[in-house]
Amino acid sequence: DAGVTQSPTHLIKTRGQQVTLRCSPKSGHDTVSWYQQALGQGPQFIFQYYEEEERQRGNFPDRFSGHQFPNYSSELNVNALLLGDSALYLCASSARTASSYNSPLHFGNGTRLTVT
Amino acid sequence: EDQVTQSPEALRLQEGESSSLNCSYTVSGLRGLFWYRQDPGKGPEFLFTLYSAGEEKEKERLKATLTKKESFLHITAPKPEDSATYLCAVQEGRGSTLGRLYFGRGTQLTVWP
Repeated sequence: DAGVTQSPTHLIKTRGQQVTLRCSPKSGHDTVSWYQQALGQGPQFIFQYYEEEERQRGNFPDRFSGHQFPNYSSELNVNALLLGDSALYLCASSARTASSYNSPLHFGNGTRLTVT
Repeated sequence: EDQVTQSPEALRLQEGESSSLNCSYTVSGLRGLFWYRQDPGKGPEFLFTLYSAGEEKEKERLKATLTKKESFLHITAPKPEDSATYLCAVQEGRGSTLGRLYFGRGTQLTVWP
């Protein structure tokens, strides 16, 4: 049973460029969340997608956008990259069942983005 | 304002030396408190969910407990393979929250032989 898969694993970009990160959720999961983890910090919530719509958003600028596809996979797009966007970007999936809003998040191993 | 604070930031233990990690939180209505383990270069790995004060859960050498203001992760007779960063996260119960987690900065645990 494949867990959460993310691609690419590493990426180097230049300031001002745009980047797209991809995520496939764990089998049976329909909700995808994205987190940013700076070095030495805990993950910070970016946004969450369910039924192909952004359902909740953290304190991130509009440069961060996303998409969810009918097969539940998701993309995170970041425009006009800044040096401060360098971080590990984590995708997490869960099952939004009627009986549990507390379905634990299952994380992928992330994409390490370096902005130079 | 930080909603989740973990202490200590780093902890070094000798193999077999038991200890506890602390996670204190300030949220409006706790829906769940989560413990994760994160190895270098990897994503967080789910360990436990706690829902109400007084609840306890165990897994091998790990035991998690929850009070109204904090949670403890007790590590009994740790082994070197328990070395990792342990993350605590909370989920609030207000509004239409669908699962956003607030994470602490983690405790980096090193267990030496």
